[in-house]
Amino acid sequence: AQSVSQHNHHVILSEAASLELGCNYSYGGTVNLFWYVQYPGQHLQLLLKYFSGDPLVKGIKGFEAEFIKSKFSFNLRKPSVQWSDTAEYFCAAGTGNAGNMLTFGGGTRLMVKP
Amino acid sequence: EPEVTQTPSHQVTQMGQEVILRCVPISNHLYFYWYRQILGQKVEFLVSFYNNEISEKSEIFDDQFSVERPDGSNFTLKIRSTKLEDSAMYFCASRSNSGNTIYFGEGSWLTVV
Repeated sequence: AQSVSQHNHHVILSEAASLELGCNYSYGGTVNLFWYVQYPGQHLQLLLKYFSGDPLVKGIKGFEAEFIKSKFSFNLRKPSVQWSDTAEYFCAAGTGNAGNMLTFGGGTRLMVKP
Repeated sequence: EPEVTQTPSHQVTQMGQEVILRCVPISNHLYFYWYRQILGQKVEFLVSFYNNEISEKSEIFDDQFSVERPDGSNFTLKIRSTKLEDSAMYFCASRSNSGNTIYFGEGSWLTVV
């Protein structure tokens, strides 16, 4: 069965620091990869997604992620975080029909200190 | 931006009672989903629904769960006889026929006491 793991459960950064959140997936077939963000009290919002093509994908709010097939990884990055990036970040892999049965990682809580 | 809306935002129910969670997917979307997140655990897939029938379901989605699209706009999740372990945040989601992005609602907190 597929699984997604996020290695960092809690991350605390100061503003302007660089961010990298790890995500590894386990699935033998074609997989679609997503990063979602959940701001306090809000719903899950899509940050970015990878289906095929350029393995470096850019999303909203200055986030990007790199798909490395050989490492089964899809790490999320942002060169300079802001206080407003404080949220929980979820990596997900899509499989099943049309690749949309999502398997989520455990989430990473990011706190950015002003 | 169009949204998936869910009601109620929070419901407290006694063990053994039936609960119906309601969702209004984005209007032109044809694929509908329910996910749940038990406090402190991962978001888990429950079921996907397309063309008025279940297309996929997880092991969690047992006989006490059912989904329905009773009219042209609502998509409901029914839990027939709630258990303490059903306490969780339940997320509804939807996707269009042509797109590949799944849009989530804000969730319904279910507390079973």
